[in-house]
Parts: sequence; C-alpha cells; structure tokens
Amino acid sequence: KAGVTQTPRYLIKTRGQQVTLSCSPISGHRSVSWYQQTPGQGLQFLFEYFSETQRNKGNFPGRFSGRQFSNSRSEMNVSTLELGDSALYLCASRQASSTDTQYFGPGTRLTVL
Amino acid sequence: AQKVTQAQTEISVVEKEDVTLDCVYETRDTTYYLFWYKQPPSGELVFLIRRNSFDEQNEISGRYSWNFQKSTSSFNFTITASQVVDSAVYFCALSGGGADGLTFGKGTHLIIQP
Repeated sequence: KAGVTQTPRYLIKTRGQQVTLSCSPISGHRSVSWYQQTPGQGLQFLFEYFSETQRNKGNFPGRFSGRQFSNSRSEMNVSTLELGDSALYLCASRQASSTDTQYFGPGTRLTVL
Repeated sequence: AQKVTQAQTEISVVEKEDVTLDCVYETRDTTYYLFWYKQPPSGELVFLIRRNSFDEQNEISGRYSWNFQKSTSSFNFTITASQVVDSAVYFCALSGGGADGLTFGKGTHLIIQP
C-alpha cells in the first residue's frame, strides 16, 4: 500500500502571499490531520478532517484553513503568509476512528521570505 | 490539558551501546494512547509503536523495547546494540482518543557514532 503523499515537498513564498498544500492519504483512510513543526514550538496540531468535515481544530489563527474532498484527499491553505509560518507541514492519515494510529507523510517544507 | 515531556534533548552514544529514551506524560483521561515516532533527516515521521493505557504489557521487537509504567506516567523506549541507522529524532506522543490530535514531546535527538 502506498503511504501518505504530500505535494509539493518544498515551497518558497513571500510575506503576504497565500499557499495551498496537498495531501493524499493512505488508500482506505478517511481521516486526514495536519501538523505544523517548527524549531521553537515543535509539533503542533492544526486540524483534522473526516468525511469532508472538520472534526477538530488546534489553536491557530483563521489564516490557516483546510478542506477535504470526497476521495479523502485534503488541502491546507494559509493566507497572508507571515515569516513565522515557515515550517515543516506534516499530513497524517488514519482509517476512521479517532483512536486509530496516525501515519505521516514526508511533509512540505514552507519557507516564507 | 495533556502534556508530554522528553527531558533528554540530545543523546550521543557509540555504536553497539544500549540507549534509553525517556518519556513522561500528563493526562486526565482514563483511557489514552501513547506512541513513539522516529523522524530521520528526510523529515517523515515513522510510526514505531502504540500502547493503550489499559494494556501495560511491555513489548520487545528486535532491538527495540518499550517500558510502559502507568504508576509513574512513563513510556520509555530502549534500543539495544544501537546502530548508526538509528540516528534520528524520536518523538513520544499522547492521544486521549478524541479528535484533538496528538500531543507531542519536544523530541530527543539520538546520535549514534560509528
């Protein structure tokens, strides 16, 4: 089975721009979660989508949003980029239940200049 | 609120030594789930093991073993006869089973020197 895939792997943007990241879950997995990893804050939960609905959201500003499509693929959008948004964005998928194990993709490294 | 503490920021050992990574957690949930993930330089988080709070049986898998102690809220990870390929950042994580995502520790950077 193919693992979680994320595109693009690397991205460079400037302040004020917006960006969209994509995640394809493991086949059969219906839940997708997003995490932000920075040297200062570590790994932090952004949000989770299940059956095209946001199931929960972490403590991030409204500039961070996401959506999930009927094939379980998910996109994450960050608007009005700030320097502090530079991070590794990791996507994780799991089958369905919130007690299932999450499996992570390789991440998208976003650099904001 | 949940919290995971990995007090060891970095550990450096010589190949073939045994090494233990510590993890202490805090949670008010009566049922919860603990995980260890490995992050090599490529960045992907690789799932290693999961433990449910109601199952305190410890596990050994090859050179890896895990010691879950509910009484001390610890979930430690030991690598026996370490190898250079074990070099990575290791994260301990906690979930209450709700849809609130994983709570991660800050990670332990393990360096295995040849």
